[in-house]
Amino acid sequence: GQQVMQIPQYQHVQEGEDFTTYCNSSTTLSNIQWYKQRPGGHPVFLIQLVKSGEVKKQKRLTFQFGEAKKNSSLHITATQTTDVGTYFCAARHNNNDMRFGAGTRLTVKP
Amino acid sequence: NAGVTQTPKFRILKIGQSMTLQCTQDMNHNYMYWYRQDPGMGLKLIYYSVGAGITDKGEVPNGYNVSRSTTEDFPLRLELAAPSQTSVYFCASSSRQGGYNEQFFGPGTRLTVL
Repeated sequence: GQQVMQIPQYQHVQEGEDFTTYCNSSTTLSNIQWYKQRPGGHPVFLIQLVKSGEVKKQKRLTFQFGEAKKNSSLHITATQTTDVGTYFCAARHNNNDMRFGAGTRLTVKP
Repeated sequence: NAGVTQTPKFRILKIGQSMTLQCTQDMNHNYMYWYRQDPGMGLKLIYYSVGAGITDKGEVPNGYNVSRSTTEDFPLRLELAAPSQTSVYFCASSSRQGGYNEQFFGPGTRLTVL
């Protein structure tokens, strides 16, 4: 099946530092979604990107979709302890197959 | 709205036992999904349904069965539990096919098979 690679697997930052997670596919994507899962919780939808080169912002979070629609990134500016959790991308391929990445687990040291 | 509810929250099974994980949504969503999440891993799709009476296999369907007799309910059945099925199971729903619309997840069922 078509896989989506997400890196890094873990990221530990000091509060106030920035954080970025990347999602990469070998094939063109129809769209990509990002979810956040707090420790012990369930995934919660953050955003969906559809257009080539699309950039969306939610307060300190910036989401990008690559020009070739094969990769995406989530960047958090000035992390806070409330940002702790695992961030997943969910990539939809052109054959309607949707796959979740393995996630990036973010820990923030106060 | 309660959203997506799942029962039980926790369960311990012995090898070979059977059980049904319940999932109900009150958002009138056509699409429903079952995922499993192994420790430190992402979500893998087990089965999904595009509407009442219609189900289809996902990425890892072996050892599971589903049914969708109503729009609201989408139970997942484990017939002969195996240790490899130890995982956290999430049910989700969406108003359109998952890749085109956000999925709403239930709180999960933590299953241990010993």
